[in-house]
Amino acid sequence: DTGVSQNPRHKITKRGQNVTFRCDPISEHNRLYWYRQTLGQGPEFLTYFQNEAQLEKSRLLSDRFSAERPKGSFSTLEIQRTEQGDSAMYLCASSLVSVGNNEQFFGPGTRLTVL
Amino acid sequence: QKEVEQDPGPLSVPEGAIVSLNCTYSNSAFQYFMWYRQYSRKGPELLMYTYSSGNKEDGRFTAQVDKSSKYISLFIRDSQPSDSATYLCAMSGRTGGSYIPTFGRGTSLIVHP
Repeated sequence: DTGVSQNPRHKITKRGQNVTFRCDPISEHNRLYWYRQTLGQGPEFLTYFQNEAQLEKSRLLSDRFSAERPKGSFSTLEIQRTEQGDSAMYLCASSLVSVGNNEQFFGPGTRLTVL
Repeated sequence: QKEVEQDPGPLSVPEGAIVSLNCTYSNSAFQYFMWYRQYSRKGPELLMYTYSSGNKEDGRFTAQVDKSSKYISLFIRDSQPSDSATYLCAMSGRTGGSYIPTFGRGTSLIVHP
């Protein structure tokens, strides 16, 4: 499968615990994005990387959230001290950016439930 | 007012109908317009990607962009029950060198046999 993959697909945790999600982009893609989607809403941008550099972070990304993309390949998103409001689908997307072209391809998402 | 407005539906149509899905937007800097299909509990799947105004056709799907009216549409011909999903519009423009898309909330489509 050459698409974007995410693990785990589902995560249930207790409030206050830390969780980490992983995203493996399409291999030749240089950009990787994280989004959060809640029920009945479209995806909301959190952050993105170009290669290993984190270039932009949304104000939605509180200091409890941290993302990394070591070596410009896979990425991890960690949420510390989870809150019930963090319950959502966390989506990863990747793209091969060229002049004016930014088609993003999404993974299946990680559904987080905070009890 | 949100930058991208999309009626959440649900929109229920019989099999074989022509479906029209629409979004309006307020940011005149948007240049790239996308439609994604999302099945329940799955990630969005890119259907159509267009630049600026005009039409683009791909099989049973046609995307239209009217920048003067800030209005985009997706038409689905000969709709099938397998088309039942949420359809998300998304759009982007150059902001600080990036093209981070802004998504609508999605329209739920139900095609019944």
